[in-house]
Amino acid sequence: GENVEQHPSTLSVQEGDSAVIKCTYSDSASNYFPWYKQELGKRPQLIIDIRSNVGEKKDQRIAVTLNKTAKHFSLHITETQPEDSAVYFCAVNAGGTSYGKLTFGQGTILTVHP
Amino acid sequence: SAVISQKPSRDICQRGTSLTIQCQVDSQVTMMFWYRQQPGQSLTLIATANQGSEATYESGFVIDKFPISRPNLTFSTLTVSNLSPEDSSIYLCSVEVGLQGKANYGYTFGSGTRLTVV
Repeated sequence: GENVEQHPSTLSVQEGDSAVIKCTYSDSASNYFPWYKQELGKRPQLIIDIRSNVGEKKDQRIAVTLNKTAKHFSLHITETQPEDSAVYFCAVNAGGTSYGKLTFGQGTILTVHP
Repeated sequence: SAVISQKPSRDICQRGTSLTIQCQVDSQVTMMFWYRQQPGQSLTLIATANQGSEATYESGFVIDKFPISRPNLTFSTLTVSNLSPEDSSIYLCSVEVGLQGKANYGYTFGSGTRLTVV
């Protein structure tokens, strides 16, 4: 099945700095790569996603880049703010016989210090 | 996109009992997914529930422990049976929405059920 590795597990930055979280995956048939933000006690919320036919997508301070050849994608948050502090998960949809399943990375605890 | 109503939002259960979690979607969906999130951990897929057929379980999860029903295209239940403290987790349902490759493709999650087993 799909294997998703996420790094780093924790990330601490100063307000205004950038944060980058990386994920690698194993299934070359995967074609959808979402990023979720989960605040304490809440459900995961989609913050950005990218499909396999594009290499980069940006939404204000958040961007995602995808390298299908190398099977990795990254979340970039610029001008971080304390409210960006949360757990971030990458995910990958499965292809082939596992169509539709989402496999999640291990999560990154992001702390933005004022 | 689809809206999911999940209940209960939380429960405290005695060891050895069972808890049934319900998810209602406001539109018809082909596949529904059930996830477990253990404390401080990521989300792990338990099973995929398809209407009209038995659920497909992931490695490490069995039907006797996590029976699933999918009576129609808008509803599913997950039962966590013979509860032990190790079952204390958040359980979430999810549905796939839109068509793969299209701009409207994605996944929607229920609000989650926080289960504590004492």
